[in-house]
Amino acid sequence: QKEVEQNSGPLSVPEGAIASLNCTYSDRGSQSFFWYRQYSGKSPELIMFIYSNGDKEDGRFTAQLNKASQYVSLLIRDSQPSDSATYLCAVNGNNRLAFGKGNQVVVIP
Amino acid sequence: GAVVSQHPSWVICKSGTSVKIECRSLDFQATTMFWYRQFPKQSLMLMATSNEGSKATYEQGVEKDKFLINHASLTLSTLTVTSAHPEDSSFYICSAELIYEQYFGPGTRLTVT
Repeated sequence: QKEVEQNSGPLSVPEGAIASLNCTYSDRGSQSFFWYRQYSGKSPELIMFIYSNGDKEDGRFTAQLNKASQYVSLLIRDSQPSDSATYLCAVNGNNRLAFGKGNQVVVIP
Repeated sequence: GAVVSQHPSWVICKSGTSVKIECRSLDFQATTMFWYRQFPKQSLMLMATSNEGSKATYEQGVEKDKFLINHASLTLSTLTVTSAHPEDSSFYICSAELIYEQYFGPGTRLTVT
């Protein structure tokens, strides 16, 4: 089993809709969780981090963490064309980040 | 704040030559920096963890004699790809750790011809 899994294929959402991304991880001892956005040809940029169970909101983004089920999700509300990118889930364990393969989001105007 | 730079942003070199990539934390000191490699359509793969003043810790399968890492100061880490080959062509990204969060540099695209 991979450390961090993001299994959904490309996600197309209409402008203004909610985009929902999911991520599962294998190391039950992981303590910190991150969502990065990566535009094509660019390096990742941090958009959200979450350490505690529950929801964390930052503007149009909401991260949700469920340690018992070992999943973390990201909701993007009122999706904009500028949100079109690949979203990488990352989990911190053993003082290093493990990344999922990413989910591509395409926001259709 | 928390800005990380990389130089060069892109480089083309001939097979068999060596290439050095610099990673700098501009407005903070980073005891730990990380080097990643990303092939097209794939996720980031950690190559090594670089700690200031000590030897880098390489991930399994990464040749330490081919990818030389030097973390000379709290703001500078360098990655040297020695005897580069076309299969080393990739997007190399560094990150610097600040209070358990990693901030990424803009990346260096290496093409080996």
